[in-house]
Amino acid sequence: GAGVSQTPSNKVTEKGKYVELRCDPISGHTALYWYRQSLGQGPEFLIYFQGTGAADDSGLPNDRFFAVRPEGSVSTLKIQRTERGDSAVYLCASSLSGWTGKFFGPGTRLTVL
Amino acid sequence: AQKVTQAQTEISVVEKEDVTLDCVYETRDTTYYLFWYKQPPSGELVFLIRRNSFDEQNEISGRYSWNFQKSTSSFNFTITASQVVDSAVYFCALSGKETSGSRLTFGEGTQLTVNP
Repeated sequence: GAGVSQTPSNKVTEKGKYVELRCDPISGHTALYWYRQSLGQGPEFLIYFQGTGAADDSGLPNDRFFAVRPEGSVSTLKIQRTERGDSAVYLCASSLSGWTGKFFGPGTRLTVL
Repeated sequence: AQKVTQAQTEISVVEKEDVTLDCVYETRDTTYYLFWYKQPPSGELVFLIRRNSFDEQNEISGRYSWNFQKSTSSFNFTITASQVVDSAVYFCALSGKETSGSRLTFGEGTQLTVNP
């Protein structure tokens, strides 16, 4: 497809479970970002990849959150031992480089019961 | 630290009215970028504009225009002759070298409702 895609669109899980959220960036975009958006708030930065490596992971809230991008394209955000406070929309974005316009996917709505 | 403030939480207008969304930013960087995004009810963030800190020329794109004033650290967004389809949450965002250059700091957003 032409845009950023994210799967699943919705994920409901129970407290303490492990979840994986997937992002497919726009083809050719070397930069990939994860953001988290809580209801009524602006998106908050989590992590930025340039190619396969995490160039900036300072936004990850704690060590339960981890993200990978092993081949420099698809990325997976992993959350261990989920907590109710993790409930939010997780947004992925990609861009040609770090400084160019960022294009966002539709997000994954995570609900932790 | 970087900060973006959108003081208007909600704005309601009647179709065909002009509306301006305010954005004020703070940064210690001398090189930075400013952005506006639209988030319609469907939830997907739509990129509208990117402006670098060295270019203070105002920009117009159809019914949209942006006014960048470094002296007041503002990057306001005006919609002329608003339409119902403009109803959305609009976010102003900032990126600069202070936070790796590519990390966006978003404001809280302004909910715009255009009534028929």
